[in-house]
Amino acid sequence: GQNIDQPTEMTATEGAIVQINCTYQTSGFNGLFWYQQHAGEAPTFLSYNVLDGLEEKGRFSSFLSRSKGYSYLLLKELQMKDSASYLCADMDSNYQLIWGAGTKLIIKP
Amino acid sequence: ETGVTQTPRHLVMGMTNKKSLKCEQHLGHNAMYWYKQSAKKPLELMFVYSLEERVENNSVPSRFSPECPNSSHLFLHLHTLQPEDSALYLCASSQDLGNEYNSPLHFGNGTRLTVT
Repeated sequence: GQNIDQPTEMTATEGAIVQINCTYQTSGFNGLFWYQQHAGEAPTFLSYNVLDGLEEKGRFSSFLSRSKGYSYLLLKELQMKDSASYLCADMDSNYQLIWGAGTKLIIKP
Repeated sequence: ETGVTQTPRHLVMGMTNKKSLKCEQHLGHNAMYWYKQSAKKPLELMFVYSLEERVENNSVPSRFSPECPNSSHLFLHLHTLQPEDSALYLCASSQDLGNEYNSPLHFGNGTRLTVT
């Protein structure tokens, strides 16, 4: 079957660090994506992992463990503008994206 | 400016109306997509076009009818919709199909559709 699980909502404090987890169960695997979506706006691409390990891009990092079917998005030095939904999606053997329902991240001062 | 423009941003229509959603991409991409986004649900892929040919139709009701006249434009024609069709409809493009490592999806801001 094909299933993506991520928490519905998380709250964190400005300046802190937050980790958003995503687990997937997909027949075939061609990579794991993270997108950011601010309310009323388009989802925008954040990261892509196809090999195990951590990919760092400024304040945002993404991790993948293929053996565990697990990824996380790590956001450091949180800013108020990071309040958004974070969408996890994995690409199956047919190069179709399977999406999670998204994690709404609320940043408090 | 996302490179993918959708109009209108908001649309309210009755169940007997006919309307169309428009999407235009200025990125020179070869693939275009329609997605439906409902609250607290995963994105649902509706249609995929590659080089103006439809390559995917995920069991979408016939009251939704896509049209891709060229690689830069994509339409979604709507008729006799139901209230449960109310959602955010997102258009996206990518350089090619099946190669998203080099070509992530670029989304438009969506059309917020309300069916009354």
